[in-house]
Amino acid sequence: AQTVTQSQPEMSVQEAETVTLSCTYDTSESNYYLFWYKQPPSRQMILVIRQEAYKQQNATENRFSVNFQKAAKSFSLKISDSQLGDTAMYFCAFKLGGSQGNLIFGKGTKLSVKP
Amino acid sequence: DAGVTQSPTHLIKTRGQQVTLRCSPKSGHDTVSWYQQALGQGPQFIFQYYEEEERQRGNFPDRFSGHQFPNYSSELNVNALLLGDSALYLCASSFIKAMNTEAFFGQGTRLTVV
Repeated sequence: AQTVTQSQPEMSVQEAETVTLSCTYDTSESNYYLFWYKQPPSRQMILVIRQEAYKQQNATENRFSVNFQKAAKSFSLKISDSQLGDTAMYFCAFKLGGSQGNLIFGKGTKLSVKP
Repeated sequence: DAGVTQSPTHLIKTRGQQVTLRCSPKSGHDTVSWYQQALGQGPQFIFQYYEEEERQRGNFPDRFSGHQFPNYSSELNVNALLLGDSALYLCASSFIKAMNTEAFFGQGTRLTVV
C-alpha cells in the first residue's frame, strides 16, 4: 500500500520570502505521479504542480518548484516570492501511473503568508 | 466552460437519516471520483465511477453507495448517517483515456450530522 506523509502541520512565511513544504511517500511501484494541491478557504482543490516519477528533471510552474528525490522518496514544494494569496492548506498526493487510479493524500500543511 | 459542480454546498442531517450528494463533471470528462475530507485531514478516496459502474472503492462501508448517470453526472448516497460521517465531500472528474492528466475538483459539500 502507498502512503503519503506531511510532517509539517503548519508553517508561516513573510510575504516575498521563500518557503519549502515537505512530503515523503512510500511505494514499491516505479510508475507513479506526485502532486501538490492547494486548498484555500473556498475549499476547492487546485492543482499546483505535478511530477512524473520517470522524469528526473524537477517540475516548475512559475513561482512553484519541486525537489523530487526518488531514491529518498521525498517530494518537497518550494514557493518563491510568497504572496498573500498563497495562504492555504497544501496537500501532497500520490497516484499510480497507467490508470485512472485514485489519489492518496497526505494530511496537509497549513501555510500562512504574513504581510 | 463550467468546471466540476457539486450540490448542495452545505447540508445538515440527523443521525440515522440518509443523504444524497450530487456532482456534475467538467465538460468532456467521463470519470467521477468521490472523496471524504474530515476536519483537519487530507481527502480519503471513497469510490470511482466510469461507464455507470463502480470501478474502484476505498475502505468505506456499504452505507456509502453511488451512481453515475448516462450524462456522466454522479450521486453519492450515505445511509444510516453517523456523527462520524460529518465531513467535506469532494467530487473529482477526469477523462479515462487521458490517464495521466489531472483530476479536477469541485468545491465540495459540507455535511454536518447532528
